[in-house]
Amino acid sequence: GQNIDQPTEMTATEGAIVQINCTYQTSGFNGLFWYQQHAGEAPTFLSYNVLDGLEEKGRFSSFLSRSKGYSYLLLKELQMKDSASYLCAVRGASGGSYIPTFGRGTSLIVHP
Amino acid sequence: GAVVSQHPSWVICKSGTSVKIECRSLDFQATTMFWYRQFPKQSLMLMATSNEGSKATYEQGVEKDKFLINHASLTLSTLTVTSAHPEDSSFYICSQQTGVGNTEAFFGQGTRLTVV
Repeated sequence: GQNIDQPTEMTATEGAIVQINCTYQTSGFNGLFWYQQHAGEAPTFLSYNVLDGLEEKGRFSSFLSRSKGYSYLLLKELQMKDSASYLCAVRGASGGSYIPTFGRGTSLIVHP
Repeated sequence: GAVVSQHPSWVICKSGTSVKIECRSLDFQATTMFWYRQFPKQSLMLMATSNEGSKATYEQGVEKDKFLINHASLTLSTLTVTSAHPEDSSFYICSQQTGVGNTEAFFGQGTRLTVV
């Protein structure tokens, strides 16, 4: 099976930097995704990592360490609109399934 | 990227009635559609995999007679919650995922179901 752990809630100040961690245990590994989800809306794709290292995309960066079963999402220059839930999702390799398993999400609150 | 349209975005129904949720693929022929359920402050839980022209595959613990899935065409999958109860109140989301390389999941807008 798969187990994904991320903090339930985080708060940060507008303009600051915040790091959201995700640890996972999976039977096989075939990629890790980060999604942003605003309340009452569907998730939107932010990033994908399959190799170790940092992937940068504008204000958002995502890091992966496969040996540690660890990833983080880094948000820079925080804006009020970044207040949302951030979901870590891992695609295992069990039985050829390519369907990712989602974590519970980290609710980020950005305040002025 | 693929565009997935889900309807309705919210619905309130009486206990014991049935509700149908539609999910359409607008620019991609989706042989497979995935249905998720999300309770407040919880993760997206996969309910079932909908396959065009064949029976859906349900995850463990999901009642196939209660959550009827139909995927009659390459662009339309439907989820019907039958004899709804208040505990079925949740956020239901459909998704297309090709699973190849770095292709992400494309989600519908989601349906907020409230059973009273």
